[in-house]
Amino acid sequence: QKEVEQNSGPLSVPEGAIASLNCTYSDRGSQSFFWYRQYSGKSPELIMSIYSNGDKEDGRFTAQLNKASQYVSLLIRDSQPSDSATYLCALRVGGGADGLTFGKGTHLIIQP
Amino acid sequence: DAGVTQSPTHLIKTRGQQVTLRCSPKSGHDTVSWYQQALGQGPQFIFQYYEEEERQRGNFPDRFSGHQFPNYSSELNVNALLLGDSALYLCASSLLLGGKAYNEQFFGPGTRLTVL
Repeated sequence: QKEVEQNSGPLSVPEGAIASLNCTYSDRGSQSFFWYRQYSGKSPELIMSIYSNGDKEDGRFTAQLNKASQYVSLLIRDSQPSDSATYLCALRVGGGADGLTFGKGTHLIIQP
Repeated sequence: DAGVTQSPTHLIKTRGQQVTLRCSPKSGHDTVSWYQQALGQGPQFIFQYYEEEERQRGNFPDRFSGHQFPNYSSELNVNALLLGDSALYLCASSLLLGGKAYNEQFFGPGTRLTVL
């Protein structure tokens, strides 16, 4: 059974600090991992994808993957109030374009 | 470059009715996946369409059915609506390239369905 676990929060971080979001998963066959940002009342927006162990950086965002420990994390540097949203961790077990399995999301609040 | 579009934006139905939701994928994409997102939950995978066929299905009853057209657009149909079907229905598009493993999915704005 594919499960993705996230702390629902809210996670409160001061403006300018680093926000750290974590996700663990149960299926060792998981191959692809994604972070989506979802503002209240809106649809999820893809912000990062990661497929290999290690770090992947894109602007203020860094995704980290550790398949041996079955966790994936997202770091947001220099957090801004506009980063306040729910962050969804998602994974794909199979290859191709199979459906994604999502966690329930972490609600992040950046305090000015 | 047109993104994923969905219609309608909002819909109100009563129990027992049937509903059809529509999705047009991002330009250049050929695969459409449908998700249901209940309040406070992450999206749950309903099914996926590629080459006008359902290629994968999540844990949803047969009341949920779909279709993909030659232009890659897709419909989600839900029969015999239940109160529990109230949710945000999301369409995501992607490109399946001969089994390429790393296809990213991009979501449309969603359709908010309320069942009374």
